[in-house]
Amino acid sequence: DTGVSQDPRHKITKRGQNVTFRCDPISEHNRLYWYRQTLGQGPEFLTYFQNEAQLEKSRLLSDRFSAERPKGSFSTLEIQRTEQGDSAMYLCASSHYPSGRTGELFFGEGSRLTVL
Amino acid sequence: TQLLEQSPQFLSIQEGENLTVYCNSSSVFSSLQWYRQEPGEGPVLLVTVVTGGEVKKLKRLTFQFGDARKDSSLHITAAQPGDTGLYLCAGDDFGNEKLTFGTGTRLTIIP
Repeated sequence: DTGVSQDPRHKITKRGQNVTFRCDPISEHNRLYWYRQTLGQGPEFLTYFQNEAQLEKSRLLSDRFSAERPKGSFSTLEIQRTEQGDSAMYLCASSHYPSGRTGELFFGEGSRLTVL
Repeated sequence: TQLLEQSPQFLSIQEGENLTVYCNSSSVFSSLQWYRQEPGEGPVLLVTVVTGGEVKKLKRLTFQFGDARKDSSLHITAAQPGDTGLYLCAGDDFGNEKLTFGTGTRLTIIP
């Protein structure tokens, strides 16, 4: 297993365009998380799935953001009508739940979005 | 959402010195994790602490969970340039393994 993979690694877009990010988790993991991180800050929770069910979506997330995990494997995060404030690193993580004591999240390398 | 404040936000010290990073909250956590993140990569788990007062050591790194499970500290002895990175604490407040991350401490060790 090669770990969590995210695509694309970098995306530059113009304000108002739609963008979509894909995350492929570690294959045996049933949980998948999306976080957003701005430079030098800690990751901010966006949403998470257990299998194909979306368990929670952050109240900070506007209606322009939508995430899916249709078959309980890969996930997509779409941002519609992008704004400059959406510029950030979008991190995906996966885990096996319940994990026992560690509760470790395994992160991908992230997808960096720049909105011009 | 429970807030986790880390201090200091930035720390730059000479190789060989000791340092402590703090992670504080007004809320109780069922467990707390520390991650390290290097540029262009995702965070990587260092340790998980579960019991109030618990101390865990990972080579030159010592992690402590506060007695009330509201705070934690990370102490590094004889810092090395390889310790450079963004250190993140993350709390599981409801025991459902959905993590809230702290504000981060960016550590730079100067050779």
